[in-house]
Amino acid sequence: DAGVTQSPTHLIKTRGQQVTLRCSPKSGHDTVSWYQQALGQGPQFIFQYYEEEERQRGNFPDRFSGHQFPNYSSELNVNALLLGDSALYLCASSLGPRLSDEKLFFGSGTQLSVL
Amino acid sequence: SQKIEQNSEALNIQEGKTATLTCNYTNYSPAYLQWYRQDPGRGPVFLLLIRENEKEKRKERLKVTFDTTLKQSLFHITASQPADSATYLCALDSRGGRRALTFGSGTRLQVQP
Repeated sequence: DAGVTQSPTHLIKTRGQQVTLRCSPKSGHDTVSWYQQALGQGPQFIFQYYEEEERQRGNFPDRFSGHQFPNYSSELNVNALLLGDSALYLCASSLGPRLSDEKLFFGSGTQLSVL
Repeated sequence: SQKIEQNSEALNIQEGKTATLTCNYTNYSPAYLQWYRQDPGRGPVFLLLIRENEKEKRKERLKVTFDTTLKQSLFHITASQPADSATYLCALDSRGGRRALTFGSGTRLQVQP
């Protein structure tokens, strides 16, 4: 049973570029959330997708956008990259928000470096 | 504003002892609190969840307490082992069960053999 998979594992970009990160949720999960984790900090919630719609959003600018596909996989897009966007980007999957199982399953993340 | 505090200093203990980690929060009324373990270069792994109406939860060598009056959770690892060395994160749901978790910055535990 595959867990949460993310690609790529590492990425180097320059300021002003755009990046797309990808995530496949754990088998049977339909909800995907994205988190940003800066070095030495805890993960910070970016947004959550369920039924192909953005359901909740954290305190992140519109440069951060996403998408969920019919097979529940998801993409995170970041435009106009800034140096401060350098971080580990984590994808977490879970069952639908109406169900009572609240724990998240995380992927190993994509380490993004902006130069 | 809402705030979660975990001891930012690393906790060093001897193998076999009990490790106790603290999570304090302010301006929250969480429906539940979760603890995760994170190893370097990996994503967090879920350990335990405790709800607002529960005082204590146990799982093998792990125990979590939740005091909504003190706004504090304690996470205990008994009979600690070097393999328990990792960063431990507490997380609260700020939107009542919708899984938009807010994480603390984590406490790094180092268990010496």
